[in-house]
Amino acid sequence: DAGVIQSPRHEVTEMGQEVTLRCKPISGHNSLFWYRQTMMRGLELLIYFNNNVPIDDSGMPEDRFSAKMPNASFSTLKIQPSEPRDSAVYFCASSPGLAYTQYFGPGTRLTVL
Amino acid sequence: AQSVTQLGSHVSVSEGALVLLRCNYSSSVPPYLFWYVQYPNQGLQLLLKYTTGATLVKGINGFEAEFKKSETSFHLTKPSAHMSDAAEYFCAVTLSYTGTASKLTFGTGTRLQVTL
Repeated sequence: DAGVIQSPRHEVTEMGQEVTLRCKPISGHNSLFWYRQTMMRGLELLIYFNNNVPIDDSGMPEDRFSAKMPNASFSTLKIQPSEPRDSAVYFCASSPGLAYTQYFGPGTRLTVL
Repeated sequence: AQSVTQLGSHVSVSEGALVLLRCNYSSSVPPYLFWYVQYPNQGLQLLLKYTTGATLVKGINGFEAEFKKSETSFHLTKPSAHMSDAAEYFCAVTLSYTGTASKLTFGTGTRLQVTL
């Protein structure tokens, strides 16, 4: 199995631009998680899905952030408009179930200038 | 609700020395506990996990951890550190599956440095 796939691996954009991060979970996994990692705040859970349905989005920092999972093999995290404080590494993880091992992707390093 | 506390944001050991990374948890029901490792510029990788059964859990790369309910701890150990063990280590907890949604709660991480 290829593992969790994230794209792009690096993204540099200017403040105010829309950013879309993409994730393909491991086939057969029905839970998907989006995390953000920064030096200041550590690893934060933004949102997670179970069977393509958002379960908890309380970690989404504000309305500029949105996430979708249109099918079992694809999810997006969108930031519109982006701000410099959004600069971080964003991880996607998938799991066979909510209380089971999560498998992380390599991350997308986002830099907002 | 569940939470995890990792004592020591940075730990430095000599190559060949014992590695001990501390993790204490808080949970209202029996927890599932995990240790993840993150190497530079990579995602998190599972080292080991405890769900039920034997309280001493062995993982990859010679690491092990012991679940101690009375101490609410799940410390990570390795008898002899190797230079390649230098990384950041995260302890995490989730509630044992009860049929309702449950998420993984991570600690703040411990950066392990291994010196010659």
